Amino acid sequence: DAMVIQNPRYQVTQFGKPVTLSCSQTLNHNVMYWYQQKSSQAPKLLFHYYDKDFNNEADTPDNFQSRRPNTSFCFLDIRSPGLGDAAMYLCATSSVTGSQETQYFGPGTRLLVL
Amino acid sequence: AQSVSQHNHHVILSEAASLELGCNYSYGGTVNLFWYVQYPGQHLQLLLKYFSGDPLVKGIKGFEAEFIKSKFSFNLRKPSVQWSDTAEYFCAVGSASKIIFGSGTRLSIRP
Repeated sequence: DAMVIQNPRYQVTQFGKPVTLSCSQTLNHNVMYWYQQKSSQAPKLLFHYYDKDFNNEADTPDNFQSRRPNTSFCFLDIRSPGLGDAAMYLCATSSVTGSQETQYFGPGTRLLVL
Repeated sequence: AQSVSQHNHHVILSEAASLELGCNYSYGGTVNLFWYVQYPGQHLQLLLKYFSGDPLVKGIKGFEAEFIKSKFSFNLRKPSVQWSDTAEYFCAVGSASKIIFGSGTRLSIRP
């Protein structure tokens, strides 16, 4: 059973054309993350939501925004995609219990910018 | 600041060989330690994790890892690899709702 679902799996957009990637979870986890992963590199955290609290990484470009309308859904908005934004975008969720936390990843959305 | 180092970028082994992938981290507080695996074309999957207790952790598919606090290490091991273990392996360190990944080690298994 899918626990972290990402749609679409592949997304093609044009340079400068806004695009939205979606993530949903059936785990009822309170934390949701967005990562960017480029080829042969480690996933890079863009931001995360702890419940409704948004936490942006210092080096995440302003071009990237996120929305979490409810516990189950989280969206990544790229306002003006550039060629350098082509990557795999990973959504993850976790449930924090004290100091213990495990992240579970979705299958990712591969973004291609033309 | 937290950091994770995986010194082996690409490891090539024959089937049935033993595997050890190195992971060292830098962090002064209590950490959670993880190994994730990413098979070709698939998403990141959790292999094993360490929070506290027994420093030898057993995960899925015959993998295990040992937390050595004095060495700030969390090396991944498997006594006998299979061709299906071909994948990218990421070590990660987590604390306070943040996980830092190492740069990954690509494992190639020769049939």
